[in-house]
Amino acid sequence: EVQLVESGGGLVKPGGSLRLSCAASGFTFSSYSMNWVRQAPGKGLEWVSSISSSSSYIYYADSVKGRFTISRDNAKNSLYLQMNSLRAEDTAVYYCASSGSYYAFDIWGQGTMVTVSS
Amino acid sequence: QSALTQPASVSGSPGQSITISCTGTSSDVGGYNYVSWYQQHPGKAPKLMIYDVSNRPSGVSNRFSGSKSGNTASLTISGLQAEDEADYYCSSYTSSSPWVFGGGTKLTVL
Repeated sequence: EVQLVESGGGLVKPGGSLRLSCAASGFTFSSYSMNWVRQAPGKGLEWVSSISSSSSYIYYADSVKGRFTISRDNAKNSLYLQMNSLRAEDTAVYYCASSGSYYAFDIWGQGTMVTVSS
Repeated sequence: QSALTQPASVSGSPGQSITISCTGTSSDVGGYNYVSWYQQHPGKAPKLMIYDVSNRPSGVSNRFSGSKSGNTASLTISGLQAEDEADYYCSSYTSSSPWVFGGGTKLTVL
């Protein structure tokens, strides 16, 4: 079964750090570009970051540039998002999503909630 | 990169057809045939419904179709069913980001 499972979310104080993980199974992870997309409570989807299959190309939304770092370990079929200097506006459900066969987000995880609050 | 523009809400009766628009610029929707559409039920992860403007992934009903004209893409759902009630988001590849989403449209089946 094709699956993405996120973990690592939780409650963190403003200025704190958190590392999200996404475990992939059921497909050739090393061949797919991967992405993080977030959704603030009651709001729409926001693209956060993307990484190519071999980590050669990395992109960030302006809202997280300089604070978040995306990475992957193809040997472990895992995607990561290191989030530093967290702000209240980073509060959201964070989804990992693959971009495999199409220029689109074709497989999604169930999401992990990140709450930034004092 | 500004979000793509979608209507906040649309509605229709069972069996009817509805269309959701997604307006961008020549740097995103108008410049690339990489528009995709996602369905999201409350508390669930989004699901890919349309990719590359008008293509359906395997398993998606043929009641869902996509098109594009200039800087505006559209999602049409025909033969509306109660289970289609959800939020719908468009997304496009862009010359800068490289991705941008629309603000989302809430579909109500009356």
